[in-house]
Amino acid sequence: EPEVTQTPSHQVTQMGQEVILRCVPISNHLYFYWYRQILGQKVEFLVSFYNNEISEKSEIFDDQFSVERPDGSNFTLKIRSTKLEDSAMYFCASSEPVRPNQPQHFGDGTRLSIL
Amino acid sequence: DAKTTQPTSMDCAEGRAANLPCNHSTISGNEYVYWYRQIHSQGPQYIIHGLKNNETNEMASLIITEDRKSSTLILPHATLRDTAVYYCIVRVTGANSKLTFGKGITLSVRP
Repeated sequence: EPEVTQTPSHQVTQMGQEVILRCVPISNHLYFYWYRQILGQKVEFLVSFYNNEISEKSEIFDDQFSVERPDGSNFTLKIRSTKLEDSAMYFCASSEPVRPNQPQHFGDGTRLSIL
Repeated sequence: DAKTTQPTSMDCAEGRAANLPCNHSTISGNEYVYWYRQIHSQGPQYIIHGLKNNETNEMASLIITEDRKSSTLILPHATLRDTAVYYCIVRVTGANSKLTFGKGITLSVRP
């Protein structure tokens, strides 16, 4: 069964450094998402992306965050200058365009640890 | 904020049916009910979704009340691998509308 893959599984970064989290969505999917989950807390929506544009973003997704689909297969989340509070699990998800309300399928996440 | 209310936790015996309730009394006509689960720290796994009719797939059944104010996810024969946090989510109709997660219900399946 096709799946969303995320790399790396664990990323350790010094505070203030830039980090890029990578995702390969399911191949025929056209809607892409990032969520995050701080340890012990709820899964939170960050951003949705379609047709090379952000469709919706949350308050968390400030100017330090950006997303990109650099080629036909990858979808990336960049944090420009990381803060301690960015430490979390980051989940990528994708959904197909055939019909509305298709479910989002998630990857197993990247654990981001900011030191 | 999540528009659903779920108990904090429940348990069931292996091999028995697990019935997980969810209240969504403020659901709108254009909102679907989705169920996801999260095993340990893995990514959320899609289970099932529905609008107003009952739905069944290879994983579970979803029973939605006629007034759509509540629903029940049924795992017909729970196994130890079904131990997880289960999220009931109300999602607005739309091609790429977001999912708003609550705290979910922790299901523990006992041997």
